[in-house]
Amino acid sequence: KNEVEQSPQNLTAQEGEFITINCSYSVGISALHWLQQHPGGGIVSLFMLSSGKKKHGRLIATINIQEKHSSLHITASHPRDSAVYICAVDGRDDKIIFGKGTRLHILP
Amino acid sequence: DTGVSQDPRHKITKRGQNVTFRCDPISEHNRLYWYRQTLGQGPEFLTYFQNEAQLEKSRLLSDRFSAERPKGSFSTLEIQRTEQGDSAMYLCASSLGGHRNTEAFFGQGTRLTVV
Repeated sequence: KNEVEQSPQNLTAQEGEFITINCSYSVGISALHWLQQHPGGGIVSLFMLSSGKKKHGRLIATINIQEKHSSLHITASHPRDSAVYICAVDGRDDKIIFGKGTRLHILP
Repeated sequence: DTGVSQDPRHKITKRGQNVTFRCDPISEHNRLYWYRQTLGQGPEFLTYFQNEAQLEKSRLLSDRFSAERPKGSFSTLEIQRTEQGDSAMYLCASSLGGHRNTEAFFGQGTRLTVV
């Protein structure tokens, strides 16, 4: 079992829909990251959080440390949001452990 | 551009050849990380540097792989006698201090194809 699990693996939705991507982890962490990876491969950091909730534009990330669970929400989704969203955690040994990613496709 | 840059973006090589990738981190960042990502998978840790010191190497990094950061600035990742299984995206990231509560910035990656 992977230390970081994401669901769903693939998600296709219509433009405007509310999107939720989930991440569960099984190790002790100091912080959790949500990353966005476009087809060219470059990764952009969206959020880093260790408690509570953060909002940036149409993106919202939440984390529940007790339940070892985080969610990434996208409101009013748009085709340009289509990308792979990766959950990653800072393990105790100062390395990032990545999930396999969720491939999101927003249809116009 | 003050982000993390990687060169080349794409590399196609014949099996058995040596390849070298370069990563230029954000200038004031003392930590530099290398990750490998295969198709459909999340990135996997390979190695990291604090300044010029290589602090940890993953078991994924066989003796055909070597990484350097000679002056604590840019880093190179060399793969000798490439194998088809080395085909992957090689990602570099840098941060100021450790990952704990410090945001890491990623490069665009180098996509290696071994034929």
